[in-house]
Formats: sequence, C-alpha cells, structure tokens
Amino acid sequence: NAGVMQNPRHLVRRRGQEARLRCSPMKGHSHVYWYRQLPEEGLKFMVYLQKENIIDESGMPKERFSAEFPKEGPSILRIQQVVRGDSAAYFCASSAGHLNTEAFFGQGTRLTVV
Amino acid sequence: ELKVEQNPLFLSMQEGKNYTIYCNYSTTSDRLYWYRQDPGKSLESLFVLLSNGAVKQEGRLMASLDTKARLSTLHITAAVHDLSATYFCAVGYSGGGADGLTFGKGTHLIIQP
Repeated sequence: NAGVMQNPRHLVRRRGQEARLRCSPMKGHSHVYWYRQLPEEGLKFMVYLQKENIIDESGMPKERFSAEFPKEGPSILRIQQVVRGDSAAYFCASSAGHLNTEAFFGQGTRLTVV
Repeated sequence: ELKVEQNPLFLSMQEGKNYTIYCNYSTTSDRLYWYRQDPGKSLESLFVLLSNGAVKQEGRLMASLDTKARLSTLHITAAVHDLSATYFCAVGYSGGGADGLTFGKGTHLIIQP
C-alpha cells in the first residue's frame, strides 16, 4: 500500500510562471490537506478537500492559489504567477476520515522561485 | 485563533540524558499530534492523543496530554543519537471552522555522543 505520493519532489519556476503540485492520497483515503512549510518554521494549513469539494480553504492566500481534488486523479495545488515568497516546501496529507483520524504526509514538493 | 507554542525551539543534549519538550496551545482542542521530521524529509507520525490524561509510549519517547492545562509533553528517556531530528506538535480544533492542524514551530533536537 503506497503512501501519499507527491510530485514533483523539486520544482524550479521563474517569477511569473505557474506551478502545479500533485498529490495522490493513500489508497482508500478521501480527505486531502495541503500545508506550506517555510524554512525553520512549522507547517501552515492551507486547504482541506474531499473528492470534488473544497471543505476549508481558510489558509489559502486569496489570490494566485487554487486547489482541486477531482473525482479521478490526484489533488492539484496550483500557484499562478509565482513570486519569490512562494518558495517553500508544500506538503500534502491524506486521511481516511476527518476528525480524530490520523493523517499521513507525503514527501513534499520543494518549490524554488528564481 | 488557535496558537501553538513549543519550547524549547533548540535543544542540544548528550546521549543517555532525559529531557522534555513542551507544547502549549491556546484554545480547546480535540486532538493533538506529535511528528518527527528529519532534514529534507516528510513528517513521520509519532503519537496521536485524543483525550485528557492520554499517555502513549514508543521506545524512548513518551507523550502525554493535559487538556485542562492545554499542555502536551514529549519526554525523551536515555537519548540516543538516532533521535536527532525536529519534533513538531500539532493541534486540531473542529469547532472553529479551520479543519487543518495548527503546528508549533518545532523543536530542533541535537543529541551528541
């Protein structure tokens, strides 16, 4: 049973380009969470999705960031017109349920904006 | 807004010693997690604590939760070098509309031979 799979592991983008980060949850998991980690910081919650629905996006920046979790395929975190401040590690986690269930984290995508 | 504070943020200790990492949080929570992160790696789940007085142990690590004091501790017994990592506590609160976990800044633990 493969764990949470994220790709790419490393992504370099020039300012103004788009970044697409993918996350395939563990088999049987329908809850996906995205977090951002800046150097020497803890993780900051961004968005919580279930299949085809955004449940909570309270941690998402209002502009340039979007997320989806389609019926088929991985969850996508999309960052348009990237800026240097978007450079961070982006982690995806999945769980079988929501409350009081354990979430498992992927390896992360390290985005560098040059 | 839920705030999570860990201390210390940096800890250097010798093998064989005992130490405790503290995690305080600001509002009522219904779940608390401890994670380990090695440099450049993802987060490994260590403990899930769901009720007041919960205590869990795995090897040299023991975690406890006091919901009344809004405090969790991660105790390290007879530390070994392999435990060097960054340890995060994360708190969940289902009543405030924010469904994700709120993480502390992490405790960078270095264990020297």
